[in-house]
Amino acid sequence: EDQVTQSPEALRLQEGESSSLNCSYTVSGLRGLFWYRQDPGKGPEFLFTLYSAGEEKEKERLKATLTKKESFLHITAPKPEDSATYLCAVRLGGSEKLVFGKGTKLTVNP
Amino acid sequence: DGGITQSPKYLFRKEGQNVTLSCEQNLNHDAMYWYRQDPGQGLRLIYYSQIVNDFQKGDIAEGYSVSREKKESFPLTVTSAQKNPTAFYLCASSIVPDNYGYTFGSGTRLTVV
Repeated sequence: EDQVTQSPEALRLQEGESSSLNCSYTVSGLRGLFWYRQDPGKGPEFLFTLYSAGEEKEKERLKATLTKKESFLHITAPKPEDSATYLCAVRLGGSEKLVFGKGTKLTVNP
Repeated sequence: DGGITQSPKYLFRKEGQNVTLSCEQNLNHDAMYWYRQDPGQGLRLIYYSQIVNDFQKGDIAEGYSVSREKKESFPLTVTSAQKNPTAFYLCASSIVPDNYGYTFGSGTRLTVV
């Protein structure tokens, strides 16, 4: 069965303390890996799409990378406003559907 | 500005009632989706539609129904057959083929009272 696993479930950082979130997947025919940010009580907001191993995307303090079996979301010098739940999703071959992981809840303390 | 509008933001349902959640988009997207989100679980796909007058069941379609009579609209009905409907419901849309991910609405929180 296709699986998307995110770790850790929750991460608490001090402001300025860099770290990484992980998204591992066991799917066949990957046609894209997506990262979203979700604030409490709101819909997810699109961050990045990655398609092939070795690909990297950056946006402000966030950098997403992709290997053949996992993706990392690196957060450099985070600020309290980066606090949110980060969701990872994969698109399978032959489908427009996305399969989501359970997310990582990030808290950045000032 | 283009986007997806979900209404209402909060909805309360009595036992045995059917309720309908609204989802409207003005992005000219072909595909629309309904997901359910529960605490500690990932988003789970209920129904999706890639073209007007056509839709497919997702992973948890039992107890739900949809229609797609217009490109802009994809309402979700939660029927009395859905035994555990309390959840956060998210509507999304995308172009087909999609290279930019989904655009999500702001969600509807449904509570059974």
